[in-house]
Amino acid sequence: QSALTQPASVSGSPGQSITISCTGTTSDVGGYNYVSWYQQHPGKAPKLMIYEVSNRPSGVSDRFSGSKSGNTASLTISGLQAEDEADYYCSSYTSSSSVVFGGGTKLTVL
Amino acid sequence: QVQLVQSGAEVKKPGASVKVSCKASGYTFTGYYMHWVRQAPGQGLEWMGWINPNSGGTNSARKFQGWVTLTRDTSISTAYMELKRLRSDDTAVYYCARGGVGATTPRDYWGQGTLVTVSS
Repeated sequence: QSALTQPASVSGSPGQSITISCTGTTSDVGGYNYVSWYQQHPGKAPKLMIYEVSNRPSGVSDRFSGSKSGNTASLTISGLQAEDEADYYCSSYTSSSSVVFGGGTKLTVL
Repeated sequence: QVQLVQSGAEVKKPGASVKVSCKASGYTFTGYYMHWVRQAPGQGLEWMGWINPNSGGTNSARKFQGWVTLTRDTSISTAYMELKRLRSDDTAVYYCARGGVGATTPRDYWGQGTLVTVSS
């Protein structure tokens, strides 16, 4: 199972919106609504931000939203804040009942 | 409150095995899948496998099949990940992460991570 494809880095200024893409295949992202997004700050465990494509766990800011079109899922962060600067990973359930992660995207808040 | 507490850091020699534990509390251990994920220094997240604590059924990434063993002890709400024949590139932080009620993706609760260092 190949890793999902994410951009290596994205950046934005405070207050702006950014979108991180996560591209897979019909055997993972395109075939199931089980895409999750995680935020990871240096030295910390990942934190779930979105599950099942577009659902936010309680306590996660509504500035974070998820969507999917075909084989590509997206995470949008609106109203960028300094504390959003982190690494972001997507994951998807697959047709072999396994999980595959994206390579990760480093978000820089300028 | 839900907590996943992992065992402490390990230093192993190449060829040895390591067994990491993940003790769950604050929820019904058998009600949620448990995933194992690792992260090598400066690298991304890599999914290793999951265990259904209720049935003991497991699935692992093709790369780890025959090499990783996932088990659980429901009497003490603890999941285990054993990795054999360690190599230097297995040096990583290993995480357990609670999944959903089915085999979906790692979800909301993660252990603190266990650093495994493989060095001669």
